[in-house]
Amino acid sequence: DAKTTQPTSMDCAEGRAANLPCNHSTISGNEYVYWYRQIHSQGPQYIIHGLKNNETNEMASLIITEDRKSSTLILPHATLRDTAVYYCIVNGVRTSGSRLTFGEGTQLTVNP
Amino acid sequence: DVKVTQSSRYLVKRTGEKVFLECVQDMDHENMFWYRQDPGLGLRLIYFSYDVKMKEKGDIPEGYSVSREKKERFSLILESASTNQTSMYLCASSLQGVGKLFFGSGTQLSVL
Repeated sequence: DAKTTQPTSMDCAEGRAANLPCNHSTISGNEYVYWYRQIHSQGPQYIIHGLKNNETNEMASLIITEDRKSSTLILPHATLRDTAVYYCIVNGVRTSGSRLTFGEGTQLTVNP
Repeated sequence: DVKVTQSSRYLVKRTGEKVFLECVQDMDHENMFWYRQDPGLGLRLIYFSYDVKMKEKGDIPEGYSVSREKKERFSLILESASTNQTSMYLCASSLQGVGKLFFGSGTQLSVL
């Protein structure tokens, strides 16, 4: 699976949009981009994933560049409860178990 | 919603003890995973299973074994616990071939 690069930490003001970048320049054509987050002392939580089109759900939006070498997770109106570590993971679909490799992620701190 | 339940939130064991960590999921998922999480090292995959009685080693299987006798249950076994196995252990499950994992709340294991 392709490697990803994320900033170590970011800050965001409550109520503003949080834009979390991820680079995955070695991504291959059949690999998806997944985003998870982990709030302190809890297990990671799935947020969203995409292949090449932009995706939106009730939690966030995922913008993938046309060349697929980078993506941005957008939390449109960040709240204090969005403070967490956010992981960007690239993973291909497999017939057997899809094993995800979690890096260090980005610590997002939402400030009042 | 999918529920992944880990049997204990906190566990304290002695060096040399045999330790069982249990995980149960209620959504008929084919895949189940065991990760451990340590400060500065992120989440690391220990073992995973893509079917009953099937298992595959992850990145750090040494000192661990697993058992999957029923589809809904995946057990992690520390044959002889050591202090370097003190960690947060996270169980997860997913559908076949899909990278959307559902995690349990974790078991904080302390080996004294």
